[in-house]
Amino acid sequence: GAVVSQHPSRVICKSGTSVKIECRSLDFQATTMFWYRQFPKQSLMLMATSNEGSKATYEQGVEKDKFLINHASLTLSTLTVTSAHPEDSSFYICSASNLAGGRGDTQYFGPGTRLTVL
Amino acid sequence: AQTVTQSQPEMSVQEAETVTLSCTYDTSENNYYLFWYKQPPSRQMILVIRQEAYKQQNATENRFSVNFQKAAKSFSLKISDSQLGDTAMYFCAFMGLSGGSNYKLTFGKGTLLTVNP
Repeated sequence: GAVVSQHPSRVICKSGTSVKIECRSLDFQATTMFWYRQFPKQSLMLMATSNEGSKATYEQGVEKDKFLINHASLTLSTLTVTSAHPEDSSFYICSASNLAGGRGDTQYFGPGTRLTVL
Repeated sequence: AQTVTQSQPEMSVQEAETVTLSCTYDTSENNYYLFWYKQPPSRQMILVIRQEAYKQQNATENRFSVNFQKAAKSFSLKISDSQLGDTAMYFCAFMGLSGGSNYKLTFGKGTLLTVNP
């Protein structure tokens, strides 16, 4: 149980284009989903938290107009990187929790998406 | 803001031996949760073990156990009978409110564990 999928696993795009990454909880209702970014050989940094049906809460320093997050259903959240640039190249990981606000609940992680912007 | 410190960037252990990974954290919260996640080369984050701060008993999951010292804000992971498949990056993580309305995970920088045959 507690499986989270991400699609695509890898994406290469040209600078200036937008890229959408999907995160799905396959066997539970994800009331809260989280998006992280991980640079090579570094730890995970939380970008934003989204509760189903509400606007996402972004961490300090994360541009909400650049990283659009939608959490319209209890099984799907999307991250859209708008007007991507090479510095946006990174490994993006989502996680999901079935408690509102993620309260004390274990987060289950997707397999990640490697984004390369040329 | 909460901080999580893993002071061992890399460690190695022989197969079948025991190894302990250290983690300390800093917080002013009283109710929080602590986790160890592993990230193998596939980069899939896998939960190893979790501990609720209000529980005094140390969590155990098969070969994995923790030594939770709340007063010292220490949360070490012990891996017994190490196996080659344990080779991975291990992240210690703190979950608390951090002054907001959502519980958030704060990760340490990780310890790269290599199990040698």
